[in-house]
Amino acid sequence: QLQLQESGPGLVKPSETLSLTCTVSGGSMSVTSYYWGWIRQPPGKVLEWIGSIYYSGSTYYNPSLQSRVTISVDTSKNQFSLKLRSVTAADTAIYYCARLDPITLFGVVSYFFDHWGQGTPVTVSS
Amino acid sequence: DIVMTQSPDSLAVSLGERAAINCKSSQTVLYSSSNKNFLAWYQRKPGQPPKLLISWASSRESGVPDRFSGSGSGTDFTLTISSLQAEDVAVYYCQQYYTSPPTFGGGTKVEIK
Repeated sequence: QLQLQESGPGLVKPSETLSLTCTVSGGSMSVTSYYWGWIRQPPGKVLEWIGSIYYSGSTYYNPSLQSRVTISVDTSKNQFSLKLRSVTAADTAIYYCARLDPITLFGVVSYFFDHWGQGTPVTVSS
Repeated sequence: DIVMTQSPDSLAVSLGERAAINCKSSQTVLYSSSNKNFLAWYQRKPGQPPKLLISWASSRESGVPDRFSGSGSGTDFTLTISSLQAEDVAVYYCQQYYTSPPTFGGGTKVEIK
C-alpha cells in the first residue's frame, strides 16, 4: 500500500527557507503514470497546490509561488523535497505531500490527488 | 484561476438521513468534446489527510461506499451521502483539474445532528 510521509522542521524563521522532504514507501516514484507534489493549507484558508514533479525531474509550480519554490526528486531514495524561500507568516500552514494523477487538456497539465501524506504543520515565526 | 465555492460551510444531519454538499466553479469544468467534468471530491476526517472519494465528478474510487455519489455538470456539482453514518463525520472538499493551477473549494463540515 502506497504511503507518503512528510518530514522537516516545524518552525522556520521569517525570511529563511522552509525545507520539507516526502518519503514514499510501498511503491516506486519512477512509475510513469504519476507526478508527485506538495499542497498546503494555511489556518482557516483553502487548500493550495504548491507544485509538482515528475520522476525525471520536470517541475510545475503554482504561479502564485513560482518565484520562491523549488521541488526536487531523489528516485534512489524514493523521496522528493520542497524548498520555499523568503518565508513570512503567511506561509504558516499544514504542508502535505501527495501523488498526483496528471490530466492534460488544451496542452495544460492539471492534477487530482489520489494519495496524501499525513501532513506536517509548519509555523513561520521568530 | 478557477474559483471553487462550496455551500453550506457546515451541515448537521441525523444518522441515516441524506446529506448534500454543493460546489460551484467560476467557469465551466466540462470538456464538451469528451463530455467529462474535471472535478474531484475529497473527504478529510479529523486527524487524517484528505482522501480522494470521487473523480470525474461522479466516478467513485475503489473502496468508497456506494452511499457516496457525485452529480452535476458544467459549473454546478453536488456530493450526496445517501444515508449518513457516524464514520462520515468529516470535512468535504471539491477540486477542479480542468486547468492549472488546480484549485479547491473551501470545504463543508458534516456533523451528526
